[in-house]
Amino acid sequence: DADVTQTPRNRITKTGKRIMLECSQTKGHDRMYWYRQDPGLGLRLIYYSFDVKDINKGEISDGYSVSRQAQAKFSLSLESAIPNQTALYFCATSDSTPGTGYPSSYNEQFFGPGTRLTVL
Amino acid sequence: DAKTTQPTSMDCAEGRAANLPCNHSTISGNEYVYWYRQIHSQGPQYIIHGLKNNETNEMASLIITEDRKSSTLILPHATLRDTAVYYCIVSALNYGGSQGNLIFGKGTKLSVKP
Repeated sequence: DADVTQTPRNRITKTGKRIMLECSQTKGHDRMYWYRQDPGLGLRLIYYSFDVKDINKGEISDGYSVSRQAQAKFSLSLESAIPNQTALYFCATSDSTPGTGYPSSYNEQFFGPGTRLTVL
Repeated sequence: DAKTTQPTSMDCAEGRAANLPCNHSTISGNEYVYWYRQIHSQGPQYIIHGLKNNETNEMASLIITEDRKSSTLILPHATLRDTAVYYCIVSALNYGGSQGNLIFGKGTKLSVKP
């Protein structure tokens, strides 16, 4: 979805380097998410944020940190990259009040195109 | 762990209906059934969701059994572009908190063949 962009799209780095993956959205959504996907597996949630002041750990947060700089921006950092963090990373957004102004009970997420990260 | 069971792979002839089953026998009354798909290594795409009733949109139909323990996603006229991994996900009503988060399993790889 062009409304959710991720940079870089591909990155090769070395063990021990600090890496930042960035996600921006123009959808005006309040909720943002970071997932990773390993080959042949489904997506696993790393961190999620329901608004600028709200950051929550997901299933596999160890080795990662995030920053929600603004409603439209959510960055994922690997402080000291290791080879088993080689994966495809996806950012996603969702709207807690889609259209109606009232909280929505369902969770339709919109995903970015992904960042392929290789740690050597 | 994912709360759903899906076949690993399925084939479908182009132009025919693709019926993708999903078992969610432990679903709770406050949980939705969602379907997403992922084409190659692109970001997943939302298809449809339902709580109790059958649902239809421009992409697909979702049939949920009366006991809600299983569902079927129907692509009425599959095309080659529908070749993808399809994820069936159950997740609680999402009013904030982690209970509304999506947990992706391995999904069903649907191959649409000419």
